[in-house]
Amino acid sequence: DTGVSQDPRHKITKRGQNVTFRCDPISEHNRLYWYRQTLGQGPEFLTYFQNEAQLEKSRLLSDRFSAERPKGSFSTLEIQRTEQGDSAMYLCASSPQMDSYGYTFGSGTRLTVV
Amino acid sequence: KNEVEQSPQNLTAQEGEFITINCSYSVGISALHWLQQHPGGGIVSLFMLSSGKKKHGRLIATINIQEKHSSLHITASHPRDSAVYICALSYNTDKLIFGTGTRLQVFP
Repeated sequence: DTGVSQDPRHKITKRGQNVTFRCDPISEHNRLYWYRQTLGQGPEFLTYFQNEAQLEKSRLLSDRFSAERPKGSFSTLEIQRTEQGDSAMYLCASSPQMDSYGYTFGSGTRLTVV
Repeated sequence: KNEVEQSPQNLTAQEGEFITINCSYSVGISALHWLQQHPGGGIVSLFMLSSGKKKHGRLIATINIQEKHSSLHITASHPRDSAVYICALSYNTDKLIFGTGTRLQVFP
C-alpha cells in the first residue's frame, strides 16, 4: 500500500459540466476526509466518512456537491453544474479509527473550471 | 477572528539558520498538527501534538496548552526545507481546521 491515491491529478472542465473525483485511502484506515484548498489559503473541511457512513458535511458542501464511500473503501466526490468558483485543489486524507498516527494525505486533484 | 493564526505568513532564511514558526489558537482542541506542503499540493504530516514537545530529525514541535500556542522549529535549515508549513487543529471528530500557512524559503 503506497498511501492515499487520488485520481485524476488534474481536471479542466467547462462551466456547467459535472466532474467526479476518486480517492483510495490506506486500506486499514476507517476515516476518510475531503478538503478543498484555494490559492494562498489553507485547506477547508468539506466532509468526512467513518467506514461507509458520512458523519459530517460542511456548509461549504452545497447541493451541487455529493460524496460517497460505498463499502467503506474508496470515496468519490462529485460536483454537478460546475462553476468557476469551484476551481481549487481537492484533497483527500485518511486516518485510523484512533488517530494516534495522524493523517495521510493524497496528492490532491486540481480542478480548473473554464 | 480565525480559530487558528500562524505567524509569520512568509519567511526567508539563509541556509543553516534556525527557524521558528508560530501558531496560536483560540479554542479547545484534542490535538494540534504541523503539516508540510510542497508546490504541487502534496501534504505531509510532520507532527501531531497534544502536549509537550516532539522531535524528528532537524524538526522540533512544542505546544503550550495553557497558552494555546505551538511552535515549529527547524534547526540547520536547508533549501529542501522550502515549503508551506501549516498548523491545524483537530477536535472530537478529528476533522482538521487549518491555518493559512507559513511560506518558507531557504536560500543557499
